[in-house]
Amino acid sequence: QKEVEQDPGPLSVPEGAIVSLNCTYSNSAFQYFMWYRQYSRKGPELLMYTYSSGNKEDGRFTAQVDKSSKYISLFIRDSQPSDSATYLCAMSAVRGNEKLTFGTGTRLTIIP
Amino acid sequence: ETGVTQSPTHLIKTRGQQVTLRCSSQSGHNTVSWYQQALGQGPQFIFQYYREEENGRGNFPPRFSGLQFPNYSSELNVNALELDDSALYLCASSGGGGGAEAFFGQGTRLTVV
Repeated sequence: QKEVEQDPGPLSVPEGAIVSLNCTYSNSAFQYFMWYRQYSRKGPELLMYTYSSGNKEDGRFTAQVDKSSKYISLFIRDSQPSDSATYLCAMSAVRGNEKLTFGTGTRLTIIP
Repeated sequence: ETGVTQSPTHLIKTRGQQVTLRCSSQSGHNTVSWYQQALGQGPQFIFQYYREEENGRGNFPPRFSGLQFPNYSSELNVNALELDDSALYLCASSGGGGGAEAFFGQGTRLTVV
């Protein structure tokens, strides 16, 4: 069993829809949770960074962490075609972003 | 765009050869991590360097080795290349010391034939 599970998709939604992306994990030592966006043939770009449980909002993006369920989510409101990319969840047990454990990524397409 | 640059962007090597990939970290960052991303997969942690010392290693064989220089730039060396080494190799730099965000370069796409 992988430490981090993420539905690879692909996921296609119409422009303007709310997108929900999720990851589950098994390692209870994970305390730092991140979402990265990766466009084709590019490196991952950090979108959200959260410590422990709770919610964090940044513009159209909201990250949620539920450590009791070992479940994290990323919500994208008012989705745009430019949001089409692969979304990777990542986690770390150590303080900071070192030694990240990634999910496989979910490929998202926003249909105009 | 992050301040992390990697070179080369693409290269093709023959099985059994050796390769060196390079990474310049973002200004002010003293920690560099290397990841391997196979097609359709998430990045896998190879190792990390902090102030020129290896600071943790993932499940990769010893033929994967690295260096970090006094200016915090880094190299990833892979000996005896295998076909399965074909992947996108990503470098991430961070400030270290906890709580620092990690910024990735654009990656080096290695193809082993």
